[in-house]
Amino acid sequence: ETGVTQTPRHLVMGMTNKKSLKCEQHLGHNAMYWYKQSAKKPLELMFVYNFKEQTENNSVPSRFSPECPNSSHLFLHLHTLQPEDSALYLCASSKGTSGIEETQYFGPGTRLLVL
Amino acid sequence: AQTVTQSQPEMSVQEAETVTLSCTYDTSESDYYLFWYKQPPSRQMILVIRQEAYKQQNATENRFSVNFQKAAKSFSLKISDSQLGDAAMYFCAYRRNFGNEKLTFGTGTRLTIIP
Repeated sequence: ETGVTQTPRHLVMGMTNKKSLKCEQHLGHNAMYWYKQSAKKPLELMFVYNFKEQTENNSVPSRFSPECPNSSHLFLHLHTLQPEDSALYLCASSKGTSGIEETQYFGPGTRLLVL
Repeated sequence: AQTVTQSQPEMSVQEAETVTLSCTYDTSESDYYLFWYKQPPSRQMILVIRQEAYKQQNATENRFSVNFQKAAKSFSLKISDSQLGDAAMYFCAYRRNFGNEKLTFGTGTRLTIIP
């Protein structure tokens, strides 16, 4: 185990639903990340939080809304998603955001299916 | 923009043999980090090995070693004495050593271990 947990592991939702993904890290890290992993595509960085402050929003549609209440928890709130949003959503954390401290450790992911 | 290329979508190796996964990247920077991540079927992305570009010595971690050719912008991963547990997707990643720089991933190589 890498110390990063994600819930739920699987999620099926309709396009009108609202759901949230949760990530928790037990590594004492200060930075957390959301990635989207689609088949046959490189991982796409979505959001970065450092010390609870959002430092990157990689042109993500507003139907994805992140929340970072503290350095250990990260949420991704989902609403009115599209079928093309179906993917594996990975959370990661790192000690810092520069130098070797930005080595990232990943959670197991949430497999999302939007119907 | 930096790009990472993994030209082998799939590879297979006999158990106990050695296999090399290739990765090339494109950058104009001189100070950066390179990573290999492993994603087994359970989906948890695990850091396998990392290399600082300013270090000439190739990184090694037990059965895993890299061949870092900075001038050629090549970063291959060698797995010695392959084991069944090595079966996974392997992702090469690059990050410039500058605050808040994001990881750029390749598309991955699926490694199959033949018993």
